[in-house]
Amino acid sequence: DTGVSQNPRHKITKRGQNVTFRCDPISEHNRLYWYRQTLGQGPEFLTYFQNEAQLEKSRLLSDRFSAERPKGSFSTLEIQRTEQGDSAMYLCASSLDALSGNTIYFGEGSWLTVV
Amino acid sequence: AQSVTQLGSHVSVSEGALVLLRCNYSSSVPPYLFWYVQYPNQGLQLLLKYTSAATLVKGINGFEAEFKKSETSFHLTKPSAHMSDAAEYFCAVTIVGNTPLVFGKGTRLSVIA
Repeated sequence: DTGVSQNPRHKITKRGQNVTFRCDPISEHNRLYWYRQTLGQGPEFLTYFQNEAQLEKSRLLSDRFSAERPKGSFSTLEIQRTEQGDSAMYLCASSLDALSGNTIYFGEGSWLTVV
Repeated sequence: AQSVTQLGSHVSVSEGALVLLRCNYSSSVPPYLFWYVQYPNQGLQLLLKYTSAATLVKGINGFEAEFKKSETSFHLTKPSAHMSDAAEYFCAVTIVGNTPLVFGKGTRLSVIA
């Protein structure tokens, strides 16, 4: 069990460019979450998947954001036409699907700086 | 919808002193409550969780939290602070069915030698 893996860990991009982040969850976990965290704030929910199905999207997830989990394993988060306000840490997390409040495990995060 | 409020964005304690980080929740149904810790430039690590079993929950690194329904609180405590406890701490809430966690704004803990 290697934990939740995210890459790249850091990305600096020019405004208007597209960026993509990848997340590999813990292998047996069928739920995968994306959060965004800005400096001095708590993580904010963006979207989550159960297997390959995207079950919920936050209103924070504008049309420029798209997330996929094609085979129910790894996931990608793409941001198109990046803006300076997109600068943040993007956190991926995974969990088992259960009714008992199973623990959500987080990755180390991917830092995005838009210049 | 669920929410949590963390009182105090920054708490400073002396090494060896009691740590108390406050969290109040709002939920129309019984909540599941979590405390996570985040060290600089890292992801979040689970400290402890409450899932409707014992109201006093013990976690890693000597931390514990008590669920108090009457006060809608889930405060985090540690009897004796260590320098390595300096970090950002987040309280989070969800409800049955693993709806996504909702986080508080966090409390930065500083430990003074």
